[in-house]
Amino acid sequence: NAGVTQTPKFQVLKTGQSMTLQCAQDMNHNSMYWYRQDPGMGLRLIYYSASEGTTDKGEVPNGYNVSRLNKREFSLRLESAAPSQTSVYFCASSDAMNTEAFFGQGTRLTVV
Amino acid sequence: GESVGLHLPTLSVQEGDNSIINCAYSNSASDYFIWYKQESGKGPQFIIDIRSNMDKRQGQRVTVLLNKTVKHLSLQIAATQPGDSAVYFCAETDDKIIFGKGTRLHILP
Repeated sequence: NAGVTQTPKFQVLKTGQSMTLQCAQDMNHNSMYWYRQDPGMGLRLIYYSASEGTTDKGEVPNGYNVSRLNKREFSLRLESAAPSQTSVYFCASSDAMNTEAFFGQGTRLTVV
Repeated sequence: GESVGLHLPTLSVQEGDNSIINCAYSNSASDYFIWYKQESGKGPQFIIDIRSNMDKRQGQRVTVLLNKTVKHLSLQIAATQPGDSAVYFCAETDDKIIFGKGTRLHILP
C-alpha cells in the first residue's frame, strides 16, 4: 500500500537553483495538493488540483509552479530557490475536495 | 528530529485523563471538517471528520464537536495514552482544504 509517494525525501539547494518535487498517488484520487510546513505555522496550501487538467493557487503560491501531469502525478517546481522556501513540503490527495486527504511523508528542503 | 510545532500551543494531560483540543475556523461557507494527527517526522494522518449538517460525531476513543454558530470545532480524546502524543490539526474545507495552526498534546506519566 504505497498511498502517496514523494521524492526526494531530503534536498539542499543553493539560492537561485531550480528543482522539481515529485508526488504520485496510487489511490485513483481526483484531487491533489501541495502544502508547506514551517515551525509554528501549521500547514499552508501552496497549490491544489481539484481534478486532472486543473490547478489553482492556494494560500502561498508565490515562487512556485505546479503541473498535474496525469491523474496520478502532481509536481511542484521551484524556478529560483530562495532561503525563505526552506521548509518541509507535503503532498496530499483525496477522492474529492470535501473528503479525507492522505499525505505523503514529506520532503525536507533547505535553501542555503 | 523534526522541529515542526516547536512554538505551537501545548496541552499537557495526565495519562488516562480525557483531552480536549479546540479549534476556531474562519470560513462560514466551510462544509466539511477534519482532525489530523501528526507525529514527529511524519505526514498528517486522518483521525475523524464531520460535515456541517452534524454537530457531533464519535469514533474509537475520539469525538468531534462542531458549533457552527461560533465557528468552533473540538476534538475529545478519551483515556489519553502515551501514543496520543503528537501535534493535532483541524482543517476546514470549502473549495480547498485549509489547516489551522495546530496544538501539541503532551502526555504526563
